[in-house]
Amino acid sequence: GQQVMQIPQYQHVQEGEDFTTYCNSSTTLSNIQWYKQRPGGHPVFLIQLVKSGEVKKQKRLTFQFGEAKKNSSLHITATQTTDVGTYFCAGQGGGGFKTIFGAGTRLFVKA
Amino acid sequence: DVKVTQSSRYLVKRTGEKVFLECVQDMDHENMFWYRQDPGLGLRLIYFSYDVKMKEKGDIPEGYSVSREKKERFSLILESASTNQTSMYLCASEVVAGGGAQPQHFGDGTRLSIL
Repeated sequence: GQQVMQIPQYQHVQEGEDFTTYCNSSTTLSNIQWYKQRPGGHPVFLIQLVKSGEVKKQKRLTFQFGEAKKNSSLHITATQTTDVGTYFCAGQGGGGFKTIFGAGTRLFVKA
Repeated sequence: DVKVTQSSRYLVKRTGEKVFLECVQDMDHENMFWYRQDPGLGLRLIYFSYDVKMKEKGDIPEGYSVSREKKERFSLILESASTNQTSMYLCASEVVAGGGAQPQHFGDGTRLSIL
């Protein structure tokens, strides 16, 4: 079945360093979503990408959707302590409406 | 803002008990989901429902059942709880709109411990 792999599982950074998490699907996706879960909280929707090669920005966060629509990345520039949490990607395969979540990347930021 | 409310934040039950987890959303969303979240495994879909009385199995339905008698309420049932069902359970809802996937809105989760 469709799988969504996310790496790395954990990332420790010093405040001010950049951070990137990668998401890869075994099949072509119709769209990809990104969520953030703060420690002790629940996943909160950040953004959705639909088009091949699409790039979207939210302040220090940059989201990309690959040309083949099988991979995506989230890049945070100059991390802050408020960025701590787990970032999940979630994709829908073409022809199906079930959303598959990646395992998440947990980000630790040291002040 | 969408509000998804799960009935309990923490729950402790014993092996063999029948356990009910309740979820209510206030935005008239058609789709509702139950996930379990375990370290290193992310969110795994147990069941989802796209309408009242309609349900579909997710990736890990074994040992679980669901009920959706009203549009706003989606219940997860552990028929006979076992220790391997100790986990964080998350409920989510999603509006149906043209153009494909929509954001899912999550409840705060229920941390269930089976002793």
